[in-house]
Amino acid sequence: DAKTTQPPSMDCAEGRAANLPCNHSTISGNEYVYWYRQIHSQGPQYIIHGLKNNETNEMASLIITEDRKSSTLILPHATLRDTAVYYCIVRVARSRAGNMLTFGGGTRLMVKP
Amino acid sequence: EPEVTQTPSHQVTQMGQEVILRCVPISNHLYFYWYRQILGQKVEFLVSFYNNEISEKSEIFDDQFSVERPDGSNFTLKIRSTKLEDSAMYFCASTPGLDQSLEAFFGQGTRLTVV
Repeated sequence: DAKTTQPPSMDCAEGRAANLPCNHSTISGNEYVYWYRQIHSQGPQYIIHGLKNNETNEMASLIITEDRKSSTLILPHATLRDTAVYYCIVRVARSRAGNMLTFGGGTRLMVKP
Repeated sequence: EPEVTQTPSHQVTQMGQEVILRCVPISNHLYFYWYRQILGQKVEFLVSFYNNEISEKSEIFDDQFSVERPDGSNFTLKIRSTKLEDSAMYFCASTPGLDQSLEAFFGQGTRLTVV
């Protein structure tokens, strides 16, 4: 699996967009970028994933660079409840052999009033 | 919205005792997982389970651990003889099928404290 690099922490003002970067320069062609978050020791929560096109859902947007070596998760209007650790995970999807998720240290996002 | 439920939310046990952590995955999901998180550390994969057998396990998942799906709804993790270092949050997760195999739904966890 491709290794990912994320900043350990970020701050964001409430109501502003939170842009969380992730570097995955060794990503291969069949690997997807997944984002999860963990709010204060609760179970991780799936946010979004993508292969090469930008994706958007009700929670967030995912922007993947054309060379796929990095991506950015965007929370368009961050709220205090978005304070969490955000994990960027790169994996081959649809693999019978291994569907496990490997969590790194993630980015601790603090949304401030 | 469907959810993965775990019981108990907190379990305290004496070192050397057996514990069983219980999970009810989402009803039409096919893949089931256990993860753990020692306080202040990363979330770590333990085991995945599909079609009534273990499909993958990590080095952490040694002989003291076992998993079972005793009926159509429950998925359990048994730790045979607990050690102090087994103290952690244990998370159960499930995924719908192969095409969505990495969009996991996690439970809220069981906090295991070994004393």
